[in-house]
Amino acid sequence: QKEVEQDPGPLSVPEGAIVSLNCTYSNSAFQYFMWYRQYSRKGPELLMYTYSSGNKEDGRFTAQVDKSSKYISLFIRDSQPSDSATYLCAMTYYGQNFVFGPGTRLSVLP
Amino acid sequence: DTEVTQTPKHLVMGMTNKKSLKCEQHMGHRAMYWYKQKAKKPPELMFVYSYEKLSINESVPSRFSPECPNSSLLNLHLHALQPEDSALYLCASTAAGQGGSGANVLTFGAGSRLTVL
Repeated sequence: QKEVEQDPGPLSVPEGAIVSLNCTYSNSAFQYFMWYRQYSRKGPELLMYTYSSGNKEDGRFTAQVDKSSKYISLFIRDSQPSDSATYLCAMTYYGQNFVFGPGTRLSVLP
Repeated sequence: DTEVTQTPKHLVMGMTNKKSLKCEQHMGHRAMYWYKQKAKKPPELMFVYSYEKLSINESVPSRFSPECPNSSLLNLHLHALQPEDSALYLCASTAAGQGGSGANVLTFGAGSRLTVL
């Protein structure tokens, strides 16, 4: 079993849709959870980070962590074509070793 | 604009060349990282420097040689590379071990795209 699993997609949605992106993980020691957006041939850009369980909201983005289920989610409301990118989840337990999911490719169609 | 700056953005080199990738951050972070990313794959850790000392080397071939001249700079020296080393090389930093909100979060640069002929 991989340490972090993520559906690679591609995921295609119409503009304005609510997008749900998810990762599951196996190591219960993970405490810090991140979501990155990566446009083609660019570096990953941090979107959201969460410590331990709970929800965090920033504009159109909401990150959720459920440590009991070892499951994290990123929701994008009112999705835009500019949201088309690969979304990577990442996690760590003490901040030096980061484990990434394989990434989900998202296309938001106008 | 990213707070981690990488140069050059693009590099093409032959298998006998020697070149270097450079990374600079002015966020006061004391942990700096090199990652390698192939197309449609997540970043793969190569090296970690913590307080200017090499703390993690993920069994990277010796044709890649990292250097951390000071707390703001990180270099990756390249020599006798192979075509399969062509990839996006990402530098990142964290405030891991320094405390504070968001300390354990990676901030990436835009990357250096390397092509080995």
